[in-house]
Amino acid sequence: DSGVTQTPKHLITATGQRVTLRCSPRSGDLSVYWYQQSLDQGLQFLIHYYNGEERAKGNILERFSAQQFPDLHSELNLSSLELGDSALYFCASSVHTDWSDTQYFGPGTRLTVL
Amino acid sequence: AQSVTQPDIHITVSEGASLELRCNYSYGATPYLFWYVQSPGQGLQLLLKYFSGDTLVQGIKGFEAEFKRSQSSFNLRKPSVHWSDAAEYFCAVGGFLQGGSEKLVFGKGTKLTVNP
Repeated sequence: DSGVTQTPKHLITATGQRVTLRCSPRSGDLSVYWYQQSLDQGLQFLIHYYNGEERAKGNILERFSAQQFPDLHSELNLSSLELGDSALYFCASSVHTDWSDTQYFGPGTRLTVL
Repeated sequence: AQSVTQPDIHITVSEGASLELRCNYSYGATPYLFWYVQSPGQGLQLLLKYFSGDTLVQGIKGFEAEFKRSQSSFNLRKPSVHWSDAAEYFCAVGGFLQGGSEKLVFGKGTKLTVNP
């Protein structure tokens, strides 16, 4: 158990819908990272937040957004969902902003778009 | 931009045999390199990482990796594989996006099957 929690574990929805994925980092970690894992694209970095502020953006679509709240939990919002958004979404946390810090991954949320 | 190649999509070894998983990277400076393992239905767990210094890095679960700058490689090894090592292994390189922000770039992964 990494100490990072993600809810829900599974999510099934329809095209065009909007969903919110939630992540609680390890106690004491200030950084939260979001990743998407799909069969065709592999594991891709989406976005990084540190202590409530956005620090880096990767291959995140405009239909996707994220935020980190004062209690440091983070939410990833996916809207206007398409079939291709079906994937496993991971959250990871680390102590600082330095990406060379060990990132601890949550168990993921599996999103299925029908 | 940095990139990572794991040439082997799938490897099968017998329990007790030695293992080497290949990883080649492309990066303009001294890379920061990582190996992660993902068991079925689980998140990723860090096995080991290299930043500088000794090019042979020891990790958890009996794994080690060797950084070879001349070959742009960071191969993962284990002398004797256990059935519980069956999983998918990801190599990653840390670097800077254009504009200065940092990120990890992952390889496509190598799936390891262990035969009894």
